[in-house]
Amino acid sequence: QSVLTQPPSVSGAPGQRVTISCTGSSSNIGAGYDVHWYQQLPGTAPKLLIYGNTNRPSGVPDRFSGSKSGTSASLAITGLQADDEADYYCQSYDTSLSNLGVFGGGTKLTVL
Amino acid sequence: QVQLQESGPGLVKPSQTLSLTCSVSGGSIRSAGYYWSWIRQLPGKGLEWIGHIHYSGSTYYNPSLKSRVTISVDTSQNQFSLTLTSVTSADTAVYYCARTVNGGYGHGNYFDFWGQGTLVTVSS
Repeated sequence: QSVLTQPPSVSGAPGQRVTISCTGSSSNIGAGYDVHWYQQLPGTAPKLLIYGNTNRPSGVPDRFSGSKSGTSASLAITGLQADDEADYYCQSYDTSLSNLGVFGGGTKLTVL
Repeated sequence: QVQLQESGPGLVKPSQTLSLTCSVSGGSIRSAGYYWSWIRQLPGKGLEWIGHIHYSGSTYYNPSLKSRVTISVDTSQNQFSLTLTSVTSADTAVYYCARTVNGGYGHGNYFDFWGQGTLVTVSS
């Protein structure tokens, strides 16, 4: 059971917008700690997608955006493309576990 | 562009010690503001942060693994290493090394560059 809860799967048609939620608690996201997002394409290592809740590293398209409110965060992907099909993970810090790198369980995005 | 590469045995026997090394290129392991982490991904499952080290040698481990984990650094070789003792089949996973950005007090850390990962299987 992950400390951060994500839906196991989401799907959308090409061109559509999808969102992936990441729900935490008062000991992680709700405590004000940043949320970061990673994209893991099949058979590859995770890649940083969003850091500090809303920031995109150089090279990440602006189709990807992050937000945070209260004890939750969201990743939005607009203009869905076939090569967006991947697993997406959120990550934060948890004070109660003294764990510097707690991850969500991951969400499988399927492009229909 | 920083690159990381894991190396080590792909097969370890139960109760023995898992040892992996991460070689860093394209940047110095002494760079300010960074830690160097090990993260693993159990088969078909999510990600688990194992721990990190600063080039000074200071470490921080996931409390759930702390009793079995040691991370060390060799700045002369621009490498850092993971040792996990008393392994069982539950430690079978893909092990990643990653550069860790110190997000600052109240913000938390994140992982901006990752190695390609190496599969370690625990089996007799």
